[in-house]
Amino acid sequence: SQTIHQWPATLVQPVGSPLSLECTVEGTSNPNLYWYRQAAGRGLQLLFYSVGIGQISSEVPQNLSASRPQDRQFILSSKKLLLSDSGFYLCASQRINYGYTFGSGTRLTVV
Amino acid sequence: GQQLNQSPQSMFIQEGEDVSMNCTSSSIFNTWLWYKQEPGEGPVLLIALYKAGELTSNGRLTAQFGITRKDSFLNISASIPSDVGIYFCAGRIRNTGNQFYFGTGTSLTVIP
Repeated sequence: SQTIHQWPATLVQPVGSPLSLECTVEGTSNPNLYWYRQAAGRGLQLLFYSVGIGQISSEVPQNLSASRPQDRQFILSSKKLLLSDSGFYLCASQRINYGYTFGSGTRLTVV
Repeated sequence: GQQLNQSPQSMFIQEGEDVSMNCTSSSIFNTWLWYKQEPGEGPVLLIALYKAGELTSNGRLTAQFGITRKDSFLNISASIPSDVGIYFCAGRIRNTGNQFYFGTGTSLTVIP
């Protein structure tokens, strides 16, 4: 079975500072990878997804970017954080024809 | 993106009561998933459904793949305090690849 490692678990960053959240996957190869943001403990907003190394699709225009430098590594970044970037960020991995396995999330607070 | 209408948005129930929630869409799905998210954690898969009419149980949880392929239902029997969390449905639309679309979630509070 897949295991998703996400870190850090919590992060407090000042406005205008850079961001790097990392997600790594164990137990599978060539997964589809996803970054979601969840505001106020409610719905999941899809930010980015990747079907392979270097392949990134963005769902919504925003202040964030994603990269997939290795098959099982997915990184969410920002050059300058905004207050509106605060939220709970979830990484998910999907094997073909299976559902998603989620990481434990990163709580980002921009102050 | 696709709209999955999940209802109710929130529920406050007494311990021991049964719970019902559902997801509907205008699209036809070939897979339905139900997830539970506890506070501060990522969602965890509860039940997966792959065929219209399929009824699958996981302990006190039972989920059904609607026969129209446009909806799914989750029932929790005899609720207990640890059932608290947000429940999400997720569906994969027929003939559109592997991406799943998530409902907006049902927040469940169980009062002891």
